[in-house]
Formats: sequence, structure tokens, C-alpha cells
Amino acid sequence: DQQVKQNSPSLSVQEGRISILNCDYTNSMFDYFLWYKKYPAEGPTFLISISSIKDKNEDGRFTVFLNKSAKHLSLHIVPSQPGDSAVYFCAARLGSSNTGKLIFGQGTTLQVKP
Amino acid sequence: NAGVTQTPKFQVLKTGQSMTLQCAQDMNHEYMSWYRQDPGMGLRLIHYSVGAGITDQGEVPNGYNVSRSTTEDFPLRLLSAAPSQTSVYFCASGDYSYEQYFGPGTRLTVT
Repeated sequence: DQQVKQNSPSLSVQEGRISILNCDYTNSMFDYFLWYKKYPAEGPTFLISISSIKDKNEDGRFTVFLNKSAKHLSLHIVPSQPGDSAVYFCAARLGSSNTGKLIFGQGTTLQVKP
Repeated sequence: NAGVTQTPKFQVLKTGQSMTLQCAQDMNHEYMSWYRQDPGMGLRLIHYSVGAGITDQGEVPNGYNVSRSTTEDFPLRLLSAAPSQTSVYFCASGDYSYEQYFGPGTRLTVT
């Protein structure tokens, strides 16, 4: 039972355009959501997060939107750059800040074409 | 700081063999965890620890054992390797369960 789903395995966009990566979840008890980025042969790195009490969080070119009623999370990258090409994982936290578990989605491979 | 280190980087085991994947962090993080990454499955939590002496199971704990005797180290033991355990294993640590720092991974093949 996949509690966090990324239904698009891959996405290709042109450099300079917007990239939108989507994530759906089923458990209403998740209280914190994150996006991680992963390059080949490296471990994932934290990108941006959002608390369930907010609906938007922005950090430079990256913005995360949360729609709790739809149980939907999205990551917008504007403008997209070739260096953004990577696998993006969304994750959701179940439990409290220092004891909770992170549940990850399957990942979406983003390719940004020059 | 070295961050999160994992050894070995690559390992090939025969079915039934046991081994320990090592993980160490030098950031004094209380929270440490082990994930496996499989194609189409994302990252799945195996075991985690909220401090020395405290461990708990994640989503896919069967066939794996952990212990946390120090803040720095969190080894993952495969008791009797099976082909289904062929995967890439990541160790992570953080002050909290979110915003974790991941190691570079161990690629394990069980034949």
C-alpha cells in the first residue's frame, strides 16, 4: 500500500521553462512534507519542505505547494536549468519531529534539455 | 566534517551469507535510519533509531537487524542474504526525522 505516490516516472522540459513535479498521498496524519533530489551514484539531498499548516513555501527557484483537501503536493522549478536534471523524491513524515518516519514516493526523473 | 559515511561501496554476496553494512556520522545527530532503493519503489525505510540504545522498525524490516551502541554508528546486518535483498542501501542521519543527510550508498548484489 503506497501511501506516497509519484505517478509520473519521468518528466522532460526545456531549459528556462517551468518544471512541475507532482506527488499524492493517502494518509491524512502526515504533518510534514519534503522534496529530496538525487544525482546518480550519490545519496539524496534535501531540497525543500513544507509543514501541513502551510500551503506554500518558496526557496529561490523552488516552490512547494500543498493542497491538503486534495492530498496533493507539487514542486515547481522556475526557471529550469540543466543542472536540475536528477531524480526527485517527495516524502511525508508520520509522527513527531524527532521520532517520526519518512515515507518516500517512487521518484520522478527530471531531464532539463539545453 | 565527513558527514555520513558508508562502507563498503559495493558488495556481492552469495545466498545465505551474512554481512554488516557500516554507517557512521560525525554530526552528533540523534536520528539515524536505513533505506533501500529499488527501481519503481522509491526509498523504503528498513530500520531507524532516535538515539543510542533505541531502534525501531520501518516499512521493510524483515531479514535485517540493527543496533545503536553509540551516537555515531548505526550498522545494518543482513542475517541470511537473499536475492530479494539486492538493492542500493542508504544510511541517513539528522537532528530530526526530516531534513536528513544521506550517505553515498552501498550497492549490494546477492546471487
